[in-house]
Amino acid sequence: DQQVKQNSPSLSVQEGRISILNCDYTNSMFDYFLWYKKYPAEGPTFLISISSIKDKNEDGRFTVFLNKSAKHLSLHIVPSQPGDSAVYFCAASVAHTGNQFYFGTGTSLTVIP
Amino acid sequence: ETGVTQTPRHLVMGMTNKKSLKCEQHLGHNAMYWYKQSAKKPLELMFVYSLEERVENNSVPSRFSPECPNSSHLFLHLHTLQPEDSALYLCASSQDGGTGGYNEQFFGPGTRLTVL
Repeated sequence: DQQVKQNSPSLSVQEGRISILNCDYTNSMFDYFLWYKKYPAEGPTFLISISSIKDKNEDGRFTVFLNKSAKHLSLHIVPSQPGDSAVYFCAASVAHTGNQFYFGTGTSLTVIP
Repeated sequence: ETGVTQTPRHLVMGMTNKKSLKCEQHLGHNAMYWYKQSAKKPLELMFVYSLEERVENNSVPSRFSPECPNSSHLFLHLHTLQPEDSALYLCASSQDGGTGGYNEQFFGPGTRLTVL
């Protein structure tokens, strides 16, 4: 039973425009969410996180939004750059579970120059 | 070396072979993890070690055997694997706050395993 879902396997965006990557979850106990970015032949790297006490967290060009009632989070990248082309994973965790994260299947983002 | 390293990067083995994957973290973390990533599937947590003790084993078959000799090293011993075990195996580390605090995990580049 997949608790974190990324329903879009791929996304193409023009350079300079906004990229929006979506993630849905089923477990209402999740209270911490992260986004990871993965380039080919490399491991995932941490990008940005948000706890359930917030509905928005911003870091430069990256903003994560959390809608707890809809069990939905999204990652906005603006403006998108060709170097942002990668696979993006969202992950979720429950307090006091020893850093056990549940990952989505990933969305492959291509930013077209 | 910096971050989290994994060796080998690629491994091809027969079903009767025994091999080991190695992970080393240079970040001073106290928790290490093994994940499996199969095609079109989410990362699956296999094992968690915190302070060198195994705290999580997500019903992984016994043909996978982890070993954590110290806080910097983690091994995954493989024996009698099946072709469906072919996947990318990722190691990660984090600083476990022990109080439910959240600390992101740092991943190695992975070992691409093919079982023939």
